[in-house]
Amino acid sequence: GENVEQHPSTLSVQEGDSAVIKCTYSDSASNYFPWYKQELGKRPQLIIDIRSNVGEKKDQRIAVTLNKTAKHFSLHITETQPEDSAVYFCAASNNDMRFGAGTRLTVKP
Amino acid sequence: DTAVSQTPKYLVTQMGNDKSIKCEQNLGHDTMYWYKQDSKKFLKIMFSYNNKELIINETVPNRFSPKSPDKAHLNLHINSLELGDSAVYFCASSQHGSQPQHFGDGTRLSIL
Repeated sequence: GENVEQHPSTLSVQEGDSAVIKCTYSDSASNYFPWYKQELGKRPQLIIDIRSNVGEKKDQRIAVTLNKTAKHFSLHITETQPEDSAVYFCAASNNDMRFGAGTRLTVKP
Repeated sequence: DTAVSQTPKYLVTQMGNDKSIKCEQNLGHDTMYWYKQDSKKFLKIMFSYNNKELIINETVPNRFSPKSPDKAHLNLHINSLELGDSAVYFCASSQHGSQPQHFGDGTRLSIL
């Protein structure tokens, strides 16, 4: 089955800096890669996703890149704000979604 | 108008008891899931149902039994609760396995 590894487990940045979270996956048949944000005490919510026929996708301050050959994908957050502080999860799916272990992002004002 | 709703939100009970958590989705999705999130925040898939049929059953003790009376509902029954069952349990749904999953607000289970 699919195995997703996520790094780093914790990330602390200054407000205004960029943050990058990286994930690798094992199943070359995986074709869907979502990212979820989970604020403290809340449910995970989808923030951006990418499919295997696309290399990059951007939505305002967040972007995701996918390298199918290397089987890794990354989340990029630019101009970070304190409200970006949360746990972020990557996931990979070939009809059977598996989540990474999460990255706790702290944005210091 | 909540898309995925689960009840109760909090559940505090004694070791050895049996309890149930209910989940309903009004999105018309075909697939529903149960996840366990422990104190380290790892989201572990427990079960997945597609149109009332079990499609994923991870290594979960058989004290946990999911029940799907129809495709809009997936309930979780837990027998003989143990201290290690303390966690937040999330229900989720999606149209199919490679579509976005929508999560409920979670049920925080605490075993005394």
